[in-house]
Amino acid sequence: DVKVTQSSRYLVKRTGEKVFLECVQDMDHENMFWYRQDPGLGLRLIYFSYDVKMKEKGDIPEGYSVSREKKERFSLILESASTNQTSMYLCASSWADTQYFGPGTRLTVL
Amino acid sequence: GNSVTQMEGPVTLSEEAFLTINCTYTATGYPSLFWYVQYPGEGLQLLLKATKADDKGSNKGFEATYRKETTSFHLEKGSVQVSDSAVYFCAPYSGGSNYKLTFGKGTLLTVNP
Repeated sequence: DVKVTQSSRYLVKRTGEKVFLECVQDMDHENMFWYRQDPGLGLRLIYFSYDVKMKEKGDIPEGYSVSREKKERFSLILESASTNQTSMYLCASSWADTQYFGPGTRLTVL
Repeated sequence: GNSVTQMEGPVTLSEEAFLTINCTYTATGYPSLFWYVQYPGEGLQLLLKATKADDKGSNKGFEATYRKETTSFHLEKGSVQVSDSAVYFCAPYSGGSNYKLTFGKGTLLTVNP
């Protein structure tokens, strides 16, 4: 089975902190994605990566950056967390057109 | 780009009731169409898909038929169970090497015993 793991299920941070969300997949997938999920807004793509060190902005990249130094790991970085970044963050990897999701990290910024 | 309109929830049904969740899309070319499901406390997982017009995707008793003429991909199940309670997402995919999907806003289904 494909496994996508995220470093934390729940995270609480303070405004202004630098936050790292980690995602690891074990299936040698080329593509990886970061989404945020908010009530009434569904899933919105923040960034995706199609190869090591390659990235593209999604629909809402402002306030976020990403890092992909190894194929299996894709990190989402909040340079200076703000309260409007309180959300559920979902990581996914894909083989062909099917995406496989991690369990999500619920981030609260106080 | 692609866009999706999904039936707004929440949808509340009794066990063994018939389920329909509507989904219409706009997309370039001839997209593949997907339904993903998110059970409570989990990430999304693929439920079913269809890759060309008139194809029917099916899984776990759920079905959806690719209707090109109406640009729709409605999800149906003849008899829902409590364990089907989840959020359902429709997503078209128009191809390209990066496999970006456009997700609908999701429809929350609650099934009561």
